[in-house]
Amino acid sequence: DGGITQSPKYLFRKEGQNVTLSCEQNLNHDAMYWYRQDPGQGLRLIYYSQIVNDFQKGDIAEGYSVSREKKESFPLTVTSAQKNPTAFYLCASNGGSNRAGQPQHFGDGTRLSIL
Amino acid sequence: GDSVTQMEGPVTLSEEAFLTINCTYTATGYPSLFWYVQYPGEGLQLLLKATKADDKGSNKGFEATYRKETTSFHLEKGSVQVSDSAVYFCALSSTLPGGFKTIFGAGTRLFVKA
Repeated sequence: DGGITQSPKYLFRKEGQNVTLSCEQNLNHDAMYWYRQDPGQGLRLIYYSQIVNDFQKGDIAEGYSVSREKKESFPLTVTSAQKNPTAFYLCASNGGSNRAGQPQHFGDGTRLSIL
Repeated sequence: GDSVTQMEGPVTLSEEAFLTINCTYTATGYPSLFWYVQYPGEGLQLLLKATKADDKGSNKGFEATYRKETTSFHLEKGSVQVSDSAVYFCALSSTLPGGFKTIFGAGTRLFVKA
């Protein structure tokens, strides 16, 4: 079955450490997204990529970095510059010619906590 | 800018009760509208969508109608079940020059009691 796989499900970060969250999709979608979800809040866009080797900052990109070297992969690095990284991180993708009308497909998320 | 406003939760209902979760939006242009559902510890799943005015999206007994005149997309279900307990997100997606953007509401948590 096609879908999005995020790993790990739980991740712990020490002070001053960078951590990388994995996101892989086998839906052949061009566009991929990273969102941050805090308790009781909606989703906030961190970064997005509409095509391989290209990506753009979302609303809260500071302290995060991404790469898009392959169509199926869009890893997110939470750097030590992100002072409040504890959150639930969701990866999503969509495709199709009318992308605005296409729903996003989501992974099951990674919960990041500070040690 | 574009925005989505949905009713605050939590909403607590008894099984077989009627559900309405209000959603209104502000957008330039002609957005597509979506309802997503999130179960504990999981990502979001598409529940239903509508891409133009007066369209009705429906799935699993849930319905929502795209009302351009009132800029609304309220979610309804005639008879909820305990298994419907989840967080529901209203979202819009609009085409912009050079791309598009999806904006999510804050989510509404639904509890259904047996």
